[in-house]
Amino acid sequence: AQSVTQLDSHVSVSEGTPVLLRCNYSSSYSPSLFWYVQHPNKGLQLLLKYTSAATLVKGINGFEAEFKKSETSFHLTKPSAHMSDAAEYFCVVRLYAGGTSYGKLTFGQGTILTVHP
Amino acid sequence: NAGVTQTPKFRVLKTGQSMTLLCAQDMNHEYMYWYRQDPGMGLRLIHYSVGEGTTAKGEVPDGYNVSRLKKQNFLLGLESAAPSQTSVYFCASSSTSGSREQYFGPGTRLTVT
Repeated sequence: AQSVTQLDSHVSVSEGTPVLLRCNYSSSYSPSLFWYVQHPNKGLQLLLKYTSAATLVKGINGFEAEFKKSETSFHLTKPSAHMSDAAEYFCVVRLYAGGTSYGKLTFGQGTILTVHP
Repeated sequence: NAGVTQTPKFRVLKTGQSMTLLCAQDMNHEYMYWYRQDPGMGLRLIHYSVGEGTTAKGEVPDGYNVSRLKKQNFLLGLESAAPSQTSVYFCASSSTSGSREQYFGPGTRLTVT
C-alpha cells in the first residue's frame, strides 16, 4: 500500500522568506513523486516531479524538492516566497507500474500556503 | 493546444436529477481520469480509462458512470444526484510513457440541493 502525509495543513510565511512544505510517503516499490499547485478556483498544475533520476528536482517558479529515500521524504522548498505563491500544494505519489499498467496516484491532504506582505 | 477542458464550469442540480460532465483533451493521451475534490480530503479517484472503449472503477465509483467512446473525450454521468455528490470534479489525462504525470482540467463545481 502507498500513502502520502503532508505534515502541515497550513503554512504562513512573509514575502521574501523561505518556504518549506513537508511531505512524507510510504511505498513498497520505487515511487514517482510529484508536487502540484492549485490556485483558488483553478485546476492543479504540475510543479515538479521525481522519477528516480537526480534526487534534487527543480521545478517551475523557483521551487525545488529533494527526494530522501532514507527519510521517505519529498519536501518542497523555495528560497524566497512571492505573493503569487499563495495557493494549495499537493504532494502526490505514484507506484511504479511497468508496461501499460495504470499506476495509481495517491494524493496528500494538501497544504495551504499563505504569504504575507 | 487547449490541454484538458471541462464542461460545464458550474452546475446546480436538485436531488434525483441527472447530468453529464464532459472532459476533452487534445494531447492524444491514452489515460483519462475523473476525480472529486472535497475539503480536507485531497483528490479521490472516481473512475479512469486506459484507452478508448475501456473504463474502470477508482476509489469512490458509487453513484457515477463513465464512458470513453472517443479517445479524446471522457464523460462522467450522475444518474440520480444526491447532496453527497456536491463537490468539485476534476478531469485529468496522462500519456503511457515516462513519468505519466497527469494534466488536469479547470474543474466543474457541482452543487446538489
